Amino acid sequence: DAGVIQSPRHEVTEMGQEVTLRCKPISGHNSLFWYRQTMMRGLELLIYFNNNVPIDDSGMPEDRFSAKMPNASFSTLKIQPSEPRDSAVYFCASSLMSQGNEQYFGPGTRLTVT
Amino acid sequence: SQKIEQNSEALNIQEGKTATLTCNYTNYSPAYLQWYRQDPGRGPVFLLLIRENEKEKRKERLKVTFDTTLKQSLFHITASQPADSATYLCAAILTGGGNKLTFGTGTQLKVEL
Repeated sequence: DAGVIQSPRHEVTEMGQEVTLRCKPISGHNSLFWYRQTMMRGLELLIYFNNNVPIDDSGMPEDRFSAKMPNASFSTLKIQPSEPRDSAVYFCASSLMSQGNEQYFGPGTRLTVT
Repeated sequence: SQKIEQNSEALNIQEGKTATLTCNYTNYSPAYLQWYRQDPGRGPVFLLLIRENEKEKRKERLKVTFDTTLKQSLFHITASQPADSATYLCAAILTGGGNKLTFGTGTQLKVEL
């Protein structure tokens, strides 16, 4: 298995532009998680899905952020409009949906908003 | 409020020694704790899980303990090697969190020759 796949690996954009991050979870996994990591705040959960349904989006910073999971093999995280404070590394992770199951992380997308 | 905390100061040790990292939790009792390793520029990688009814779990040179009285988990790497240098994160599900993990801020370990 190729593991969790994220694209792009790096994104540099100007303030105000729309940014779309993509994730392909491990085949057979039914939970998907989007995280943001910064030096100041560490690894924060933004939103997670079980069986393609959003379960908890309480970590989404504000309405500029949205996430979708149209099918079991694809998810997107969109920021519109982007701001410099959104600069961070965004990770996608997947797991089997039961308590205790380890999460498998993708390589992350490093986002820089200028 | 429920918290999971790690020592934010980096830990430097000599090769061959045992590294011990600490994870403390407050105001709740997790059913289990997970430990992950993160290398620069990469996503976290799962290492070990320990349940509340397990005192200790081992995997090769790694050992994790879970003390529900002290509300603490210790992560040990024996016979440490420079390749063990990384940031180590503990994680748990807070009460009512479904299958949502909350991560500590991580402790950076550097193993020197």
